[in-house]
Amino acid sequence: DTGVSQNPRHKITKRGQNVTFRCDPISEHNRLYWYRQTLGQGPEFLTYFQNEAQLEKSRLLSDRFSAERPKGSFSTLEIQRTEQGDSAMYLCASSRGGSNQPQHFGDGTRLSIL
Amino acid sequence: KNQVEQSPQSLIILEGKNCTLQCNYTVSPFSNLRWYKQDTGRGPVSLTIMTFSENTKSNGRYTATLDADTKQSSLHITASQLSDSASYICVVSAKGAGSYQLTFGKGTKLSVIP
Repeated sequence: DTGVSQNPRHKITKRGQNVTFRCDPISEHNRLYWYRQTLGQGPEFLTYFQNEAQLEKSRLLSDRFSAERPKGSFSTLEIQRTEQGDSAMYLCASSRGGSNQPQHFGDGTRLSIL
Repeated sequence: KNQVEQSPQSLIILEGKNCTLQCNYTVSPFSNLRWYKQDTGRGPVSLTIMTFSENTKSNGRYTATLDADTKQSSLHITASQLSDSASYICVVSAKGAGSYQLTFGKGTKLSVIP
């Protein structure tokens, strides 16, 4: 169990640029989740994959956001035309199937929009 | 609307002392309740998961309780250590649509001082 890995850890970009984050889940986990967390708040759900299928997207996920998990392993989250309000920590988590399985989180990618 | 409220927002205690953090929720239908520890700049780490039928669960010096009738949970930390300084997040899962339907509280920020 090597843990959930996220890259990069930090990203600073100018408003209007596109950014892409990567998440490598724990290898035997078939479920993968993306969350966004701002300072002083709990994580907010963005989207969820079971294997390669994206099964749920939050209304927080505007059309500027897209996530993929092409082979059911790693996932990418892309934000197009970034805005100031996109500044946040983006967390990825993975878990086994089953409603009572713990989600294992990565240490996140901190995005700062200049 | 599903909600999770935590109290207090922040807490300062002396090393070696005990403390109790509170969580009230209005998530329905209830599936399970989780407590996570989040160190500054890191992803959350799972401490406990409790289902409807469980009213207490321990993980080392951490003991979580659940009263599903009053929709309240507490996290008790015994003999606190400096390394317990972190945010503690209560998370409630709704039943029926998979484990991705998690509602996060804003967390209690605990500072343990020497």
